[in-house]
Amino acid sequence: GAVVSQHPSRVICKSGTSVKIECRSLDFQATTMFWYRQFPKQSLMLMATSNEGSKATYEQGVEKDKFLINHASLTLSTLTVTSAHPEDSSFYICSALGGSADTQYFGPGTRLTVL
Amino acid sequence: AQKITQTQPGMFVQEKEAVTLDCTYDTSDPSYGLFWYKQPSSGEMIFLIYQGSYDQQNATEGRYSLNFQKARKSANLVISASQLGDSAMYFCAMREAGRRALTFGSGTRLQVQP
Repeated sequence: GAVVSQHPSRVICKSGTSVKIECRSLDFQATTMFWYRQFPKQSLMLMATSNEGSKATYEQGVEKDKFLINHASLTLSTLTVTSAHPEDSSFYICSALGGSADTQYFGPGTRLTVL
Repeated sequence: AQKITQTQPGMFVQEKEAVTLDCTYDTSDPSYGLFWYKQPSSGEMIFLIYQGSYDQQNATEGRYSLNFQKARKSANLVISASQLGDSAMYFCAMREAGRRALTFGSGTRLQVQP
């Protein structure tokens, strides 16, 4: 149980385009999901907290107009990187709260490369 | 100040031996949770073990155990009988009261040698 999927697993796009990443909790409902970003050989940095039915809460320094988050249902949150630039290239990982102790279950991640 | 500190960027261990990965934390909240995750080269984050600040006993999950020393604010992960498949990055993380997100340490890369 407690499986989280992410789609796509890998995406390459041109500078200036927008990319949408989906995060789904497959076998449980998640009112809260999180989006993290991980640069090579670094740790995970929280970008935002996604709450079902309400606006996302962004961490300091994260541009909410650039990283659009939508949590329209109890099993789906989306992250849209708008007008992507090469510096947005990174590994994006989502997680969903579930189970006992509010454990975070992570998706497999999406590797974004912006050319 | 760093909330989660992992001082070992890399560790080597022989197959079948035990290894301890260090983690210290900093919080003034009396209620918090500590987590360990494994990240293989594929990138997925695999939950290993959880310790609550009020738990009286150290957490154990199969070959994983957490050496929780509250007064020292340390939560070291012990992996017994290391296997080649244990080679990965290991992250210590903390969740403080009132904040549902996790704060991660910088990670330790463990390499198990045959």
